[in-house]
Amino acid sequence: EPEVTQTPSHQVTQMGQEVILRCVPISNHLYFYWYRQILGQKVEFLVSFYNNEISEKSEIFDDQFSVERPDGSNFTLKIRSTKLEDSAMYFCASKRRVLTVQFFGPGTRLTVL
Amino acid sequence: KNEVEQSPQNLTAQEGEFITINCSYSVGISALHWLQQHPGGGIVSLFMLSSGKKKHGRLIATINIQEKHSSLHITASHPRDSAVYICAVLLINAGGTSYGKLTFGQGTILTVHP
Repeated sequence: EPEVTQTPSHQVTQMGQEVILRCVPISNHLYFYWYRQILGQKVEFLVSFYNNEISEKSEIFDDQFSVERPDGSNFTLKIRSTKLEDSAMYFCASKRRVLTVQFFGPGTRLTVL
Repeated sequence: KNEVEQSPQNLTAQEGEFITINCSYSVGISALHWLQQHPGGGIVSLFMLSSGKKKHGRLIATINIQEKHSSLHITASHPRDSAVYICAVLLINAGGTSYGKLTFGQGTILTVHP
């Protein structure tokens, strides 16, 4: 069964460093998302990506964040200068059409020291 | 104010019990998802529904669009059902195109004891 994959599973970084979180969505999906979940809190939407551009973003997704789909398979989230409050689990998700089931990756746990 | 509210926040049951988790939302939606989050953190989609009722194995999900309410039922609960169950909605985007982002409830922590 096709699945969304994410690497790394756990990333530890120093405050102020850049991190890139990687995702490989399911191959025939058209809509891509990044969500985050701070420990003990609910899952929050960060950004959606469709037709090779950002389609929607939340207030959390400020200038420190960027997304790319560099080669038609990978989907990356970059945080330019990490802050302590960026520590969270980051989930990538994808789906074929808007009104279909969304498939989630296993998540990347980001720890900023 | 949270757009999606779940109850209860924590639920403990004995194996074999019938379980109900509720979700209420305050805005117009296109669809509602029930998700399961395992202790390791991974999220699995259980159901997506926009009307009526769906059943998969021991899981049943219902939605009442007029009352803005959905329930997830687990029949004959088992310790392996222990997880966080999350309700998430796809909002109707007034005047615009929806790209399918989900708005999440805070989750219900279910623990089933043998």
